[in-house]
Amino acid sequence: SAVISQKPSRDICQRGTSLTIQCQVDSQVTMMFWYRQQPGQSLTLIATANQGSEATYESGFVIDKFPISRPNLTFSTLTVSNMSPEDSSIYLCSVEGGEGSTDTQYFGPGTRLTVL
Amino acid sequence: QKEVEQNSGPLSVPEGAIASLNCTYSDRGSQSFFWYRQYSGKSPELIMSIYSNGDKEDGRFTAQLNKASQYVSLLIRDSQPSDSATYLCAVTVSDTGRRALTFGSGTRLQVQP
Repeated sequence: SAVISQKPSRDICQRGTSLTIQCQVDSQVTMMFWYRQQPGQSLTLIATANQGSEATYESGFVIDKFPISRPNLTFSTLTVSNMSPEDSSIYLCSVEGGEGSTDTQYFGPGTRLTVL
Repeated sequence: QKEVEQNSGPLSVPEGAIASLNCTYSDRGSQSFFWYRQYSGKSPELIMSIYSNGDKEDGRFTAQLNKASQYVSLLIRDSQPSDSATYLCAVTVSDTGRRALTFGSGTRLQVQP
């Protein structure tokens, strides 16, 4: 499976500021996904990012709040804008691929965000 | 109705026993089914994938799928304390072109030494 890294691994931010999370993959992948995991909850998909096209956002998530870039096949960023304490979560990127299946997803280590 | 449902637990089993984790899903068109393990403070780690009815075994893990009953389960044989984690069931929704995962809320497993 692909090796996925995320930066930063954690951050503490002030209300009203923005944070950009980076996701780097060691191989070229077509589809990348961004998920949010709120404290004590399961994972919720924010958006799907394909290289060369606009990200597709899930219901309840909007581009102004969570702008995403996908400049090439190995990299993506998610920005959490105008943060509030409700944005405190773990943000995870994932990619498809691996032996035997193209729809198996593998996750990066996550970014733990705390908003004060 | 939630799309993917799991009992939140905790499910407590003694070391060496079989742990049985269950999951139901609502979309009859779902085609791909996954079990992930998540340790506290870590990201989800893939354990098993299953695509067709029946059983699939990998070491101490067996995934079972019954599409007619919209049911998928994970059996862990010879449970070890290191298996203590939250187990997440995930399915791909059948919408054309949408391959994102829908997760259940997870079942917390505790293996007692």
